[in-house]
Amino acid sequence: GQQLNQSPQSMFIQEGEDVSMNCTSSSIFNTWLWYKQDPGEGPVLLIALYKAGELTSNGRLTAQFGITRKDSFLNISASIPSDVGIYFCAGQLFLGRMGGSEKLVFGKGTKLTVNP
Amino acid sequence: DADVTQTPRNRITKTGKRIMLECSQTKGHDRMYWYRQDPGLGLRLIYYSFDVKDINKGEISDGYSVSRQAQAKFSLSLESAIPNQTALYFCATSPGRGNGYTFGSGTRLTVV
Repeated sequence: GQQLNQSPQSMFIQEGEDVSMNCTSSSIFNTWLWYKQDPGEGPVLLIALYKAGELTSNGRLTAQFGITRKDSFLNISASIPSDVGIYFCAGQLFLGRMGGSEKLVFGKGTKLTVNP
Repeated sequence: DADVTQTPRNRITKTGKRIMLECSQTKGHDRMYWYRQDPGLGLRLIYYSFDVKDINKGEISDGYSVSRQAQAKFSLSLESAIPNQTALYFCATSPGRGNGYTFGSGTRLTVV
């Protein structure tokens, strides 16, 4: 089945530094999603990418949908302490006809620690 | 109030007991999902439902069952809990294909 390789598994950075993480797969996906999970909470959607090559920003966050549709990256600029958490990529694969089913595959997450 | 509410937030139960985790949503989404999260393994799909009469198994459905009581309610049951079902459980909703999912805050379940 489809699998996502998310890297790095963890990052320890200083406040103010930029962060980059990525997901790769041998499978093609229709949509890429990036989530953040705070301790004790559910994942929250940060950015959704719908087209190959698409580059989308949300504040200090920037994500891109790889041109091959098999990868995506997320950058965080000028990190702050509240960026701490686990970041998940997710690839969405459409199954069947329009309006039909889909399969959402999650990466194993990147745990980010920001030192003040 | 949260868009997706899970109850209880925490639960400790004994091996062999039946337990139900509940999820309700106010987003009006047709699609609902149950995921399990274990450290280092990410999120794995247990069951999903696209409407009240639709129930589908995910990748790790053994030992679990679900009930879609209404568009807004989707419950997960462990018929006879075992220790390796100790995990964080999340309910999620979606308005349809191609959209991101909205997750609840999770239920931390411990089976002793």
